[in-house]
Amino acid sequence: EAQVTQNPRYLITVTGKKLTVTCSQNMNHEYMSWYRQDPGLGLRQIYYSMNVEVTDKGDVPEGYKVSRKEKRNFPLILESPSPNQTSLYFCASSAPGGTEAFFGQGTRLTVV
Amino acid sequence: AQSVTQLDSQVPVFEEAPVELRCNYSSSVSVYLFWYVQYPNQGLQLLLKYLSGSTLVKGINGFEAEFNKSQTSFHLRKPSVHISDTAEYFCAVSEGNSGGYQKVTFGTGTKLQVIP
Repeated sequence: EAQVTQNPRYLITVTGKKLTVTCSQNMNHEYMSWYRQDPGLGLRQIYYSMNVEVTDKGDVPEGYKVSRKEKRNFPLILESPSPNQTSLYFCASSAPGGTEAFFGQGTRLTVV
Repeated sequence: AQSVTQLDSQVPVFEEAPVELRCNYSSSVSVYLFWYVQYPNQGLQLLLKYLSGSTLVKGINGFEAEFNKSQTSFHLRKPSVHISDTAEYFCAVSEGNSGGYQKVTFGTGTKLQVIP
């Protein structure tokens, strides 16, 4: 089954404690992205990757890092989380050429 | 730069009534257009997409959308809604034929509430 898998689904952490949210896709897609979803703001892109070792900033990259060492994995790293990073995070993958994006189930992060 | 506007943040509608969710976009080049649906506690899934060709696009669950280039709109419609259609709907646009990475921009979403 084609899918994008994120872990964990729910996470509560304290300010400043480094965390990683994992994302894996089994569709051999070149493109992968991270979004955050906040009420009234829709989905905003944090980072994206066009392929292995190729990543770039999206619209709201501050406070986040990513890496793409393998085609299937695209982890999101928060080196020093702050309360304003409390949000619902989605990973997505797609192929080039205007094709649809496949989304993970989401990770609800709370930073206290 | 491309942008997407969903003017209605919430749309209440009675069961079996028709519904239209509005989406307008702006872009300086040709675009691909999408509608995604998000059910509670789930990720987004594709309802339908317009890449080229016929301006009337049919999707899953009885939804359809019409691409109107002159009005830069891509409104989503369903002739008769069901309780199970209660969800949040996102319109999205990506610039076509631009080469390289094709960024997808999402609207702020419309919550459809179907009333029994």
